[in-house]
Amino acid sequence: SQQGEEDPQALSIQEGENATMNCSYKTSINNLQWYRQNSGRGLVHLILIRSNEREKHSGRLRVTLDTSKKSSSLLITASRAADTASYFCATDASNQGGKLIFGQGTELSVKP
Amino acid sequence: DVKVTQSSRYLVKRTGEKVFLECVQDMDHENMFWYRQDPGLGLRLIYFSYDVKMKEKGDIPEGYSVSREKKERFSLILESASTNQTSMYLCASRTPQGGNQPQHFGDGTRLSIL
Repeated sequence: SQQGEEDPQALSIQEGENATMNCSYKTSINNLQWYRQNSGRGLVHLILIRSNEREKHSGRLRVTLDTSKKSSSLLITASRAADTASYFCATDASNQGGKLIFGQGTELSVKP
Repeated sequence: DVKVTQSSRYLVKRTGEKVFLECVQDMDHENMFWYRQDPGLGLRLIYFSYDVKMKEKGDIPEGYSVSREKKERFSLILESASTNQTSMYLCASRTPQGGNQPQHFGDGTRLSIL
């Protein structure tokens, strides 16, 4: 069952702008992860935020987690054309033994 | 870096055939997973394995089976392929050591059943 819902489904921006993607989920979690997928390829892990963390940074990526609202956001700052990809959130729920439940993804297009 | 290798990027088979999709990881990971990805449906878990010779059904196991005879290899088997199994198949591996670990994905196999 899919518990992640992502918003928006598609996002188109210009290079240099920031991109924000949101993810909501339904059950309690151990952590929430963000992945990136280039067209026709596998998923690449970007960042993991634990349930007791509220914000995490990695380069141009900033992830927030609000467990009271069961939501997370991924911010990509100063976007580049090479950031064009689909982005997925995935939840590692407390009782799922390492299984991930994926959202349906946000398709990001960054125009040069 | 973790390397997860799926044996084929593209595969075309006929209905009724028995199809094997192979996945090998080189990091001695205990956990391995098979997903299928379809437009509008996202990634759905077919089967997973916590360790050698162990397997658990995911959300959509019907029509599939798996084999994990060696730690590094996790095979997905379509017993009698049908057209509704045309999809992108993704394999992933993960270590549970230390908790809160990400999954590492292969490049996927795009399978077409004619």
